Amino acid sequence: NAGVTQTPKFRILKIGQSMTLQCTQDMNHNYMYWYRQDPGMGLKLIYYSVGAGITDKGEVPNGYNVSRSTTEDFPLRLELAAPSQTSVYFCASSRGGQTNTEAFFGQGTRLTVV
Amino acid sequence: AQSVTQLDSHVSVSEGTPVLLRCNYSSSYSPSLFWYVQHPNKGLQLLLKYTSAATLVKGINGFEAEFKKSETSFHLTKPSAHMSDAAEYFCVVAPFSGNTPLVFGKGTRLSVIA
Repeated sequence: NAGVTQTPKFRILKIGQSMTLQCTQDMNHNYMYWYRQDPGMGLKLIYYSVGAGITDKGEVPNGYNVSRSTTEDFPLRLELAAPSQTSVYFCASSRGGQTNTEAFFGQGTRLTVV
Repeated sequence: AQSVTQLDSHVSVSEGTPVLLRCNYSSSYSPSLFWYVQHPNKGLQLLLKYTSAATLVKGINGFEAEFKKSETSFHLTKPSAHMSDAAEYFCVVAPFSGNTPLVFGKGTRLSVIA
């Protein structure tokens, strides 16, 4: 049971480049989340999804896009990378629903935009 | 709306002394509450969770937390700190109602002095 898998683990982007951070989970969880964590800071929610085909903005969605075509996958797209997007990105999933449960986190993607 | 307040951004204790990390929550319903730990350059790991069963919850590595509805608190404690406990700790609330994401506190950095 792999849990939540994020790829890549590290990436350096040039300003204006685009990339997709991949996230997949094998726990059949309905809810999936993308967070960013800046140095010395807590987690800020970028986007989340409560099921396939449903996504919603979190606290800091600008500059990002997501899609949820399957239950398992929740990729995060950066279209025009900016230095302000230098951060560590975490994907998470949870069962969700009326009785919410804990979230399971991936190991993170460390992104540097230069 | 749900919210979480971690009352201390940084706590420093001596090895072998008790640990207290404070968390207050606000929720319209009976929430599920969690504590996560993040060691440097690592992902988030679940320490313990409260989901309306026993109010005193035991977690991994000797940590425990007590849910106090009258005080809207969910403080994390450990009788004796170990050097390996030095990390960032996050209090999280999961609302009872569906289609609402987890809410993270800003985190408390625990330092353990030899």
